[in-house]
Amino acid sequence: NAGVTQTPKFQVLKTGQSMTLQCAQDMNHEYMSWYRQDPGMGLRLIHYSVGAGITDQGEVPNGYNVSRSTTEDFPLRLLSAAPSQTSVYFCASSYVLNSPLHFGNGTRLTVT
Amino acid sequence: SQELEQSPQSLIVQEGKNLTINCTSSKTLYGLYWYKQKYGEGLIFLMMLQKGGEEKSHEKITAKLDEKKQQSSLHITASQPSHAGIYLCGALNYGGSQGNLIFGKGTKLSVKP
Repeated sequence: NAGVTQTPKFQVLKTGQSMTLQCAQDMNHEYMSWYRQDPGMGLRLIHYSVGAGITDQGEVPNGYNVSRSTTEDFPLRLLSAAPSQTSVYFCASSYVLNSPLHFGNGTRLTVT
Repeated sequence: SQELEQSPQSLIVQEGKNLTINCTSSKTLYGLYWYKQKYGEGLIFLMMLQKGGEEKSHEKITAKLDEKKQQSSLHITASQPSHAGIYLCGALNYGGSQGNLIFGKGTKLSVKP
């Protein structure tokens, strides 16, 4: 049972480049979400999904896209990377919306 | 929207000492979650509290939710180096993103052997 798997672990991008952060869970969880963690700001919600085919915006969605074509996968796309998107990104999932979240180990992204 | 404030921001204790971390909400808490994070890793779920006055314990960690459901505390008894890390409280946000978890900024705990 792998839990929540995030790839890659580290990534360096140049301004303007695009990329996709991958997130997969094998617990058959309906709810998945993406957070970013920044010093002094804590964890902030980017996007979330309550089930396959359903996504919604969180607190800081600008510059990011998501899709949920399967229950297992919830990729986060950076359309045109900016230095302000330098952060640690966490994917999380739970059985339903208000169940305890299970977190991946994070992706550390640097945009130069 | 709802905000969570944690105190202290950081804490250094001698091994064997007790300590308490507090989490105060700007609105009534309908679900309060405690997580622990080690550097470079994701968050590990510790405990969830829902009812006013509720108290839960796991090994040497006890979490309480006050009767008014606006403050929670996390108490560690006889701290060990393995307790070191960042402790975060999270709460269901019934403001902006309906039903999603919002988090405090965390309390960094260091335990000196």
